[in-house]
Amino acid sequence: AQSVTQLGSHVSVSEGALVLLRCNYSSSVPPYLFWYVQYPNQGLQLLLKYTSAATLVKGINGFEAEFKKSETSFHLTKPSAHMSDAAEYFCAVSDRDTDKLIFGTGTRLQVFP
Amino acid sequence: DGGITQSPKYLFRKEGQNVTLSCEQNLNHDAMYWYRQDPGQGLRLIYYSQIVNDFQKGDIAEGYSVSREKKESFPLTVTSAQKNPTAFYLCASSATRRRRSYEQYFGPGTRLTVT
Repeated sequence: AQSVTQLGSHVSVSEGALVLLRCNYSSSVPPYLFWYVQYPNQGLQLLLKYTSAATLVKGINGFEAEFKKSETSFHLTKPSAHMSDAAEYFCAVSDRDTDKLIFGTGTRLQVFP
Repeated sequence: DGGITQSPKYLFRKEGQNVTLSCEQNLNHDAMYWYRQDPGQGLRLIYYSQIVNDFQKGDIAEGYSVSREKKESFPLTVTSAQKNPTAFYLCASSATRRRRSYEQYFGPGTRLTVT
């Protein structure tokens, strides 16, 4: 069965610093992988997705993620954090048999001025 | 303007009452989902439906019920049997794997408080 592990429930960075949010997955078949962002009291918004094309995926708001099969990882990065990036981020892997998404427990990103 | 709507945004109920949360989508998606989110936890799947008039239990279906009479609508009823119903509820939809699209699109959520 597929699963997702997000290392670090809280990450704090200074404005302008590199953002790195970690996600590792387990899947018996080549996965589809996703990153979502959630602002307080709102729904989830799709940041980017990997669907077996290019291993480096670019998303909205300057975020990108790299699929590394050898490390079973799909870490999310942004070169320079902005105050507006403060939110909760969820990594997810698809279950192709059921159309379900398996979500990680989320990482809350804080950005300090 | 396509999307998913959930109403109301905030809902308050007394313990012992059933309550129904609305979810509507105009994305022409086949599949719809209900999730529950509690502070500090990820999303937990309550029910999902891949086609009209059919739905399956998710990981935490006890105390909840759904219907899927129309493609656009997937209402969730929180029954009095749900022991801890206070939570943030999220509805989502996706095209099916037949269309090779797995990402889910989410509504704005309904925050339910039961006292």
